[in-house]
Amino acid sequence: AQTVTQSQPEMSVQEAETVTLSCTYDTSESDYYLFWYKQPPSRQMILVIRQEAYKQQNATENRFSVNFQKAAKSFSLKISDSQLGDAAMYFCAYRSSPWADSNYQLIWGAGTKLIIKP
Amino acid sequence: DVKVTQSSRYLVKRTGEKVFLECVQDMDHENMFWYRQDPGLGLRLIYFSYDVKMKEKGDIPEGYSVSREKKERFSLILESASTNQTSMYLCASSSLGGGSYEQYFGPGTRLTVT
Repeated sequence: AQTVTQSQPEMSVQEAETVTLSCTYDTSESDYYLFWYKQPPSRQMILVIRQEAYKQQNATENRFSVNFQKAAKSFSLKISDSQLGDAAMYFCAYRSSPWADSNYQLIWGAGTKLIIKP
Repeated sequence: DVKVTQSSRYLVKRTGEKVFLECVQDMDHENMFWYRQDPGLGLRLIYFSYDVKMKEKGDIPEGYSVSREKKERFSLILESASTNQTSMYLCASSSLGGGSYEQYFGPGTRLTVT
């Protein structure tokens, strides 16, 4: 069974600086999807960024980028120029390829609370 | 924009009560999910549904049941609420195809069982 591990329960960063959130996963599959979701305080969970395992290029969305190391099974999220609005819980999630004989589940990490210091 | 709504943001129930949590999505998504979120445990899947009247157990279905009579609505039922079911409950939906597989979430229901 697949597992997702976020080893940092909490991280803090000074506003305007860069922070990296770690995520590792365990799988025997070669094709899958990885996601970072953001849950601001008292607000809805939203997708930040997505990476397809078959793509070698790291995904980027504005100030958010990932460092996807397939062999190491690592999927870290880098937030550049941190802003106060980035304060949230961040969750890493894994999904098997739709072509696999699997269900529609996402496998979730425990989350990392990101604190932005003004 | 996809909109997923949940019937209550906060709910307080007594032990032994039957509790209904409702979720509605407006994007004609095939898949709908119920999660439970607890600190340090991330999101744990209770049940999901990939079609009307279809349901599959997730990782922690004990003490819960679900109903999906219409495509847009997915209900979570606590047959006899217990204090260990005090938690945040999140509903999500996703499209069956399209290559995205993104799940869209509701605002959550914080349930307290006393």
